[in-house]
Amino acid sequence: QVQLVESGGGLVKPGGSLRLSCAASGFTFSDYYMSWIRQAPGKGLEWVSYISSSGSTIYYADSVKGRFTISRDNAKNSLYLQMNSLRAEDTAVYYCARGNYGDHDAFDIWGQGTMVTVSS
Amino acid sequence: DIQMTQSPSSLSASVGDRVTITCRASQSISSYLNWYQQKPGKAPKLLIYAASSLQSGVPSRFSGSGSGTDFTLTISSLQPEDFATYYCQQSYSTLYSFGQGTKLEIK
Repeated sequence: QVQLVESGGGLVKPGGSLRLSCAASGFTFSDYYMSWIRQAPGKGLEWVSYISSSGSTIYYADSVKGRFTISRDNAKNSLYLQMNSLRAEDTAVYYCARGNYGDHDAFDIWGQGTMVTVSS
Repeated sequence: DIQMTQSPSSLSASVGDRVTITCRASQSISSYLNWYQQKPGKAPKLLIYAASSLQSGVPSRFSGSGSGTDFTLTISSLQPEDFATYYCQQSYSTLYSFGQGTKLEIK
């Protein structure tokens, strides 16, 4: 079935780094743009980053620009988020999500999420 | 950046009630508006895309309307499984943004 599975979350100290992965299955990964979206404990959803189907177009939220890097490997059906210079305010559940419906960019498939905790 | 504001932030209702949630954009976003439902400990689920298109598998009691800056999500007859938090999201700008959420609780 169509599925996204995130991994790589954990506890990291402020200033540290972490790399999240998202494994896709059940659909042609290379046909879809992808995003990372996060949710701090007890808070709402915050879009983090977008990557086009080929990887040629990338966008970031201002809150992570210059610290996070999104990438994908279509041969491995995988999406990544390299997170550097982590701060306490980056603590959140991180979801990968598939973008669909052309320009309307709706997130129709979500992973289960992976928790990132930034604390000393 | 486009700011999305939902109202109300929370809402108490009973099974069978008709409920409307509003989402307002800080600038015109045409019909580039999506709605999601999230239950505790779960990933969000897409309900409505392009302001009024029902996602496959979503019950027809959910509907969306609006364009420009003002949008609504309506649940025609609340069911027990509909008690959750609802988010709107604009996709007019690729710097996507979500509303702050509306928590729908049982009265």
